[in-house]
Amino acid sequence: AQSVSQHNHHVILSEAASLELGCNYSYGGTVNLFWYVQYPGQHLQLLLKYFSGDPLVKGIKGFEAEFIKSKFSFNLRKPSVQWSDTAEYFCAASNFGNEKLTFGTGTRLTIIP
Amino acid sequence: DGGITQSPKYLFRKEGQNVTLSCEQNLNHDAMYWYRQDPGQGLRLIYYSQIVNDFQKGDIAEGYSVSREKKESFPLTVTSAQKNPTAFYLCASTRGGFEAFFGQGTRLTVV
Repeated sequence: AQSVSQHNHHVILSEAASLELGCNYSYGGTVNLFWYVQYPGQHLQLLLKYFSGDPLVKGIKGFEAEFIKSKFSFNLRKPSVQWSDTAEYFCAASNFGNEKLTFGTGTRLTIIP
Repeated sequence: DGGITQSPKYLFRKEGQNVTLSCEQNLNHDAMYWYRQDPGQGLRLIYYSQIVNDFQKGDIAEGYSVSREKKESFPLTVTSAQKNPTAFYLCASTRGGFEAFFGQGTRLTVV
């Protein structure tokens, strides 16, 4: 069955630390991959997406993610986090041509000033 | 402004009653979704619809029903068969599998 896994449930970092959040997917065929963020009290919004091409994708607010097909992974990174990055982060996937969009369980990120 | 409107924001119902959550979009998106968000479980897909008059079960469809009579509307009914209906429900829409746009959510409490 198609699934998305996020193994980090809660990550706590100090400001300026580097961030990497894990995401693994279990999909056959061509996969579309996404990272969404939910800031406290706000709607979910798209951080970045990968459909094809360069496996290193850059998103908003200095985030990037790397698609590694051999590892079925799409990890989210940021070289230096800020207090305002405190939020919940969700990885999501769908198959090309099928709009069923599946989310992972989310990672709560807390940045300590 | 284009977007997704979910109503109401908070909803209280007695156990055993069916309740319908509203979701309307004016983005001209073909696909619409209903998710349930519980702490520690992320967003779990209840139902989705890729086109008018068609919808598919997601991963946790039991105890829920939907309709898609209009492109703009995708209401979700939480039936009395749903064993644990108290949750936060999110509606979303996409066009062509691209970015999903989300509503503000409805928090349903069954007492």
